[in-house]
Amino acid sequence: DTGVSQNPRHKITKRGQNVTFRCDPISEHNRLYWYRQTLGQGPEFLTYFQNEAQLEKSRLLSDRFSAERPKGSFSTLEIQRTEQGDSAMYLCASSLVEGVDGYTFGSGTRLTVV
Amino acid sequence: AQSVTQPDIHITVSEGASLELRCNYSYGATPYLFWYVQSPGQGLQLLLKYFSGDTLVQGIKGFEAEFKRSQSSFNLRKPSVHWSDAAEYFCAVGAKQAGTALIFGKGTTLSVSS
Repeated sequence: DTGVSQNPRHKITKRGQNVTFRCDPISEHNRLYWYRQTLGQGPEFLTYFQNEAQLEKSRLLSDRFSAERPKGSFSTLEIQRTEQGDSAMYLCASSLVEGVDGYTFGSGTRLTVV
Repeated sequence: AQSVTQPDIHITVSEGASLELRCNYSYGATPYLFWYVQSPGQGLQLLLKYFSGDTLVQGIKGFEAEFKRSQSSFNLRKPSVHWSDAAEYFCAVGAKQAGTALIFGKGTTLSVSS
């Protein structure tokens, strides 16, 4: 088990373009989370899945953001019509369903919108 | 409102000296508390966690933290800092209810001087 894997590690995109990030959780973890971290801030919750069901979305997740976990394994986070304010580190984490046992985080995808 | 406060944005400690990073929280339910460490450009690594029981918890890399309910604090300590401990440290709070997002503080950057 190689932990939580996120791709790409870095993404530079022009304003208005769409981007998609992928997260592969630890295989036996049925819960998957997306967080966003801007410079000088702690991570902020965006959304989470239990298996393939998206159970909660933060108000930070605007209509331009969509997340999927189609088969309950990997997940994708898509941002449409990117804005400069979307520049951040996007972190994925996974855990077992039994409570908050300390997530395992991936290394993140650093998005820069120019 | 639920929140985590890390009062110190940046701390510099001499190598071999002791360290204490402060964390105060405000949380409506019984808190589950965590400390994570983040190296530049990396994801977050769990240092330690407190769920219940002994209020002094031991973690990895020689770190420990003490939960003080009366002070709503969960301070992180290390008796002797190593240069490799230089990183950003985040305190987080959550609840046992399934799927509850973690709330992170803004982090404390630790620099280690020789």
